[in-house]
Amino acid sequence: EPEVTQTPSHQVTQMGQEVILRCVPISNHLYFYWYRQILGQKVEFLVSFYNNEISEKSEIFDDQFSVERPDGSNFTLKIRSTKLEDSAMYFCASVQGSNNSPLHFGNGTRLTVT
Amino acid sequence: DQQVKQNSPSLSVQEGRISILNCDYTNSMFDYFLWYKKYPAEGPTFLISISSIKDKNEDGRFTVFLNKSAKHLSLHIVPSQPGDSAVYFCAASALAGNQFYFGTGTSLTVIP
Repeated sequence: EPEVTQTPSHQVTQMGQEVILRCVPISNHLYFYWYRQILGQKVEFLVSFYNNEISEKSEIFDDQFSVERPDGSNFTLKIRSTKLEDSAMYFCASVQGSNNSPLHFGNGTRLTVT
Repeated sequence: DQQVKQNSPSLSVQEGRISILNCDYTNSMFDYFLWYKKYPAEGPTFLISISSIKDKNEDGRFTVFLNKSAKHLSLHIVPSQPGDSAVYFCAASALAGNQFYFGTGTSLTVIP
């Protein structure tokens, strides 16, 4: 069964550094998402992406965040200058796009900012 | 603004019995509801869904019930198995491609 893949599984970075989290969504899916989960807290929406542009974003997704689909398969999340509070599990997800189709998640990247 | 709520952070059930996980929502525009299961260090895995035109959807041991007037949905697992022990999230969306809103999760422990 096709799946969403994310790399790396764990990223450790120093505060102020840039990180890029990578994702390969399911190939015939049209909508792509980033969510995050801070330890012990809820799964929070960051951004959705469709047709090579952001379709929706949350308050969390400020100017420090950006997303890109550099080619036909990858979908990346960049954090320009990481803060301690960016430490979380970051999940990429994709959905086919037709009505009533479920979101499929990758296994996440654990980002630790020190 | 918590549009999807799971008021029980944890639930313990004996193996073989029924597990009932509950979820409430506030946005009447939601028309698609899902349940996800999550193990530690893994991403949420889709379990079962229901559209707003139905009030029940069944898949093996899992049944989701939707009460639109009460803005409430529930997941029934019968019979519960130790492998069902995980965190369960309910989620909802309003339109194709829009964001999915998640509850805070209920940690289910099935006791052998």
